Amino acid sequence: QKEVEQNSGPLSVPEGAIASLNCTYSDRGSQSFFWYRQYSGKSPELIMSIYSNGDKEDGRFTAQLNKASQYVSLLIRDSQPSDSATYLCAVIRVTDFNKFYFGSGTKLNVKP
Amino acid sequence: NAGVTQTPKFQVLKTGQSMTLQCAQDMNHNSMYWYRQDPGMGLRLIYYSASEGTTDKGEVPNGYNVSRLNKREFSLRLESAAPSQTSVYFCASIPRGRYQETQYFGPGTRLLVL
Repeated sequence: QKEVEQNSGPLSVPEGAIASLNCTYSDRGSQSFFWYRQYSGKSPELIMSIYSNGDKEDGRFTAQLNKASQYVSLLIRDSQPSDSATYLCAVIRVTDFNKFYFGSGTKLNVKP
Repeated sequence: NAGVTQTPKFQVLKTGQSMTLQCAQDMNHNSMYWYRQDPGMGLRLIYYSASEGTTDKGEVPNGYNVSRLNKREFSLRLESAAPSQTSVYFCASIPRGRYQETQYFGPGTRLLVL
């Protein structure tokens, strides 16, 4: 079983819609959760981080964490064509803050 | 403040050749990482260094060696390149290795092994 699993997509949404990206993880000891955005040919950049159960909002982005069900999601409201990218989920275990485990990423296409 | 820098940006090698990928950060970060990214595979950890003088294997260390030359620099060496090592390589760093810290990535090195 992979540490972090994501649907590879592509996920297609129309401009202005809500995009919902999901990620599940296998280790209950996971402590920190990150969403990165990666444009084609570029390096990943941090979008959101979340450490406690519940929702965390930052502009058009909302991260949701449910440790009991071992999933973390990212909602993008009012999706824009510029949001088209691959979104990577990453987790850190409490036993080793130095190691990040990445999912394979979900490709998002926002259609004008 | 340049952040994380990587050289070269692009390299073509023949099977069996060796090369070293260079990474440097100017943020005084303790931990540094090397990842490879293949299509549809996300980021896979090759090696990491939690502090100057220490290195540890990640998920896919075979065929690679690393050196943490000092706090700023972390190099990745391919002793005998193979076509399976064709990939995009990213270097990253984090400040201290605490659970709320995120990684800062370099721009990547595209490596093609013929």
